[in-house]
Amino acid sequence: KAGVTQTPRYLIKTRGQQVTLSCSPISGHRSVSWYQQTPGQGLQFLFEYFSETQRNKGNFPGRFSGRQFSNSRSEMNVSTLELGDSALYLCASSLDRGASGYTFGSGTRLTVV
Amino acid sequence: AQSVTQPDIHITVSEGASLELRCNYSYGATPYLFWYVQSPGQGLQLLLKYFSGDTLVQGIKGFEAEFKRSQSSFNLRKPSVHWSDAAEYFCARGFGNEKLTFGTGTRLTIIP
Repeated sequence: KAGVTQTPRYLIKTRGQQVTLSCSPISGHRSVSWYQQTPGQGLQFLFEYFSETQRNKGNFPGRFSGRQFSNSRSEMNVSTLELGDSALYLCASSLDRGASGYTFGSGTRLTVV
Repeated sequence: AQSVTQPDIHITVSEGASLELRCNYSYGATPYLFWYVQSPGQGLQLLLKYFSGDTLVQGIKGFEAEFKRSQSSFNLRKPSVHWSDAAEYFCARGFGNEKLTFGTGTRLTIIP
């Protein structure tokens, strides 16, 4: 079956702009989590959605937001981009809130210039 | 806060040699434990996971890990590494409905 699909794979934005990243989970998976990965901070949890509801949220400013649709697809949005937002953004889906493990997508590489 | 520690930032191993990557998690009820591998510019691929039961877990690509409650450890092992095993390895911990917490990763270099 198809894996977790993240689009786009690469993105270059200018400081101050906003960006929307998309994640399509594995069919049947209702939990979607987002992570930011940078060389300095490693993998940091952004938020998790389950059945269209945000269940957990990491320590990121309000510029970072997300949502989940009824088909479990998820989007995350970053407004007023800063240079420090440059990172690999990873999405992971899970069948039952983590007990079965998480499957990650290939990520979206965001570069802010 | 729950945490995961990978004490080795970088490990270099000769091809064909054995490998052990260390992982310790903060004390608490037995969590879910995972090992992921990441190649440059790619996402994370699940190698193996532990939830309960047999403390020796077999994974893909010939990897295994042993859960030791007394040491709060979940070390990853492979008897003979291949050049294609060069990558970054992450240990992760989950519990109930908590978010997945990752270690800082161990970069593995294979020398011929």
